[in-house]
Amino acid sequence: AAGVIQSPRHLIKEKRETATLKCYPIPRHDTVYWYQQGPGQDPQFLISFYEKMQSDKGSIPDRFSAQQFSDYHSELNMSSLELGDSALYFCASSLEGLAGVNTDTQYFGPGTRLTVL
Amino acid sequence: AQSVTQLDSHVSVSEGTPVLLRCNYSSSYSPSLFWYVQHPNKGLQLLLKYTSAATLVKGINGFEAEFKKSETSFHLTKPSAHMSDAAEYFCVVSPNNAGNMLTFGGGTRLMVKP
Repeated sequence: AAGVIQSPRHLIKEKRETATLKCYPIPRHDTVYWYQQGPGQDPQFLISFYEKMQSDKGSIPDRFSAQQFSDYHSELNMSSLELGDSALYFCASSLEGLAGVNTDTQYFGPGTRLTVL
Repeated sequence: AQSVTQLDSHVSVSEGTPVLLRCNYSSSYSPSLFWYVQHPNKGLQLLLKYTSAATLVKGINGFEAEFKKSETSFHLTKPSAHMSDAAEYFCVVSPNNAGNMLTFGGGTRLMVKP
């Protein structure tokens, strides 16, 4: 079965540079979530999108932005990178249920490991 | 508001012995609860989920978890550990209302000794 695809798998950037992470959800999934997992930490929710609209916002820095496109893929844009942004960034996707309530499970991609030097 | 507490940061068992990973949660809503596993340098794989259909949930690889509302617990068990079970395990809660960001527990690292 097709899974969530994330690219690139690894990314190395310098401080103050920008980075773009891409996420391709499972086919027919309409909701995308982004999580950040720092070294030795549990994943923290950043932001989510449903049908190209932002649905929830977590602890996402103002330097980061994200969007979901008409084909449901999503991109996380990170600017003015800092050393503390080094982390594993996960994307997850799910299928929205009826009445705007998501009743399904989030399936995670393999993650993008971002290293800021 | 919701939160998840995994009571042990590390658990070590011998191969072939039972596994118990403990998780307590709090949620303002009737939550969905999940266990995910993360092998080193890998993504998160869903082990099982609870969504109120049955209190005892069976997952993949012989794992199961029991939802106990009175104890606000969702402990993960397996009768017999295998070396390949060594990984990080996350107990996760979703509020199951409009808005579904997951809240992760701190994780439990399971070590399996030969």
